[in-house]
Amino acid sequence: EVQLVQSGAEVKKPGESLKISCKGSGFIFSSYWIGWVRQMPGKGLEWMGIIYPGDSDTRYSPSFQGQVTISADKSISTAYLQWSSLKASDTAMYFCARLLAVAGRRHLDFWGQGTLVTVSS
Amino acid sequence: QSVLTQPPSASGTPGQRVTISCSGSSSNIGSNTVNWYQQLPGTAPKLLIFSNNQRPSGVPDRFSGTKSGTSASLAISGLQSEDEADYYCAAWDDSLKGPEVFGGGTKLTVL
Repeated sequence: EVQLVQSGAEVKKPGESLKISCKGSGFIFSSYWIGWVRQMPGKGLEWMGIIYPGDSDTRYSPSFQGQVTISADKSISTAYLQWSSLKASDTAMYFCARLLAVAGRRHLDFWGQGTLVTVSS
Repeated sequence: QSVLTQPPSASGTPGQRVTISCSGSSSNIGSNTVNWYQQLPGTAPKLLIFSNNQRPSGVPDRFSGTKSGTSASLAISGLQSEDEADYYCAAWDDSLKGPEVFGGGTKLTVL
């Protein structure tokens, strides 16, 4: 069974750093792109970026380039999303998801349960 | 403001058929396939329709998708109370040189 299990909720202060995780199981983690999606309170979904754990090839959505860092450790089937200096505006739910890309078709077929990040002084 | 445009809300009564539209441009819907995601309250999104009109295993055939030019639609027939959720369309955008773009989402209310 394909599963993506994310790390637990975090409460941080502005300026602090943070790294959240997404652990995959039930599939060959290094052979699939893993994406990160942000959902701010009461708002819609926003693509942040994707990573291919096999070679760490990473693509960022223009809105998030330079704001976050996406990484992965294929040896433990885990992808990460990190911030070096959080802002209150980073308060959101963050989802990871597996990207299935076959014959030109691309979609997020399995999702993690989400990690709630709250940034408040 | 989202790259793909959806109506913010839609509604219907049990048993009715409702449609949700998604409008884009030549760089996204016009040149790539469309996916739809369903997000039930308080849960993670779930893939509902992929490649314009394909249903993943387990998704009832009450849900269907179509695409024409730079627009797409999601149709739900035989509306049920458990269909009350947020629905998002998505497509890759060639001009952004980045990952997929989402629509702003449509909140479906079952009256």
